[in-house]
Amino acid sequence: GENVEQHPSTLSVQEGDSAVIKCTYSDSASNYFPWYKQELGKRPQLIIDIRSNVGEKKDQRIAVTLNKTAKHFSLHITETQPEDSAVYFCAAKGVANAGGTSYGKLTFGQGTILTVHP
Amino acid sequence: SQTIHQWPATLVQPVGSPLSLECTVEGTSNPNLYWYRQAAGRGLQLLFYSVGIGQISSEVPQNLSASRPQDRQFILSSKKLLLSDSGFYLCAWSLWETQYFGPGTRLLVL
Repeated sequence: GENVEQHPSTLSVQEGDSAVIKCTYSDSASNYFPWYKQELGKRPQLIIDIRSNVGEKKDQRIAVTLNKTAKHFSLHITETQPEDSAVYFCAAKGVANAGGTSYGKLTFGQGTILTVHP
Repeated sequence: SQTIHQWPATLVQPVGSPLSLECTVEGTSNPNLYWYRQAAGRGLQLLFYSVGIGQISSEVPQNLSASRPQDRQFILSSKKLLLSDSGFYLCAWSLWETQYFGPGTRLLVL
């Protein structure tokens, strides 16, 4: 099955700096890569995603890059703010079927605790 | 728009007691449904998924079970809780690729 490795496990930056979180995946057939942000005690929230036919996607201060050849993808946050402090998860969706129906089974990385100091 | 509900929000149960957690989705039909557990660390462990009524697949053998009695209802159960069942239980739904999580149930087994 799919295996996703996420690094670093913790990341501390000063407000205004950039933050980069990297993930590698093992299944070359994986074709969808979301990123979730989880604030303390809350549910994970999707912040950005990318599909395998795209190399980069940007949404304001957040961007994701994908290198299919190397099987890794990264989250980039620019101009970090204290409210960016949270746990970030990457995930990869492999090709899976159940009863003839495909479904979005995701394999998650272990998470990165991002702390942005004012 | 779609919304997902989970209850209860928090639960404290003694070891050996039964468990029933409920998840319902509104505003969509025939979603894929998932149960995850997040232990006191950070990882999300997929427990069960369902692509339709009565169709349940288990990812990890354990003392938990899941059922889907209705299209938008997903239930997580246990006959006898263990201390190791403590954690944050998240239900999620998807139609295609993107999964959306419910607010979660925080379970403490004492």
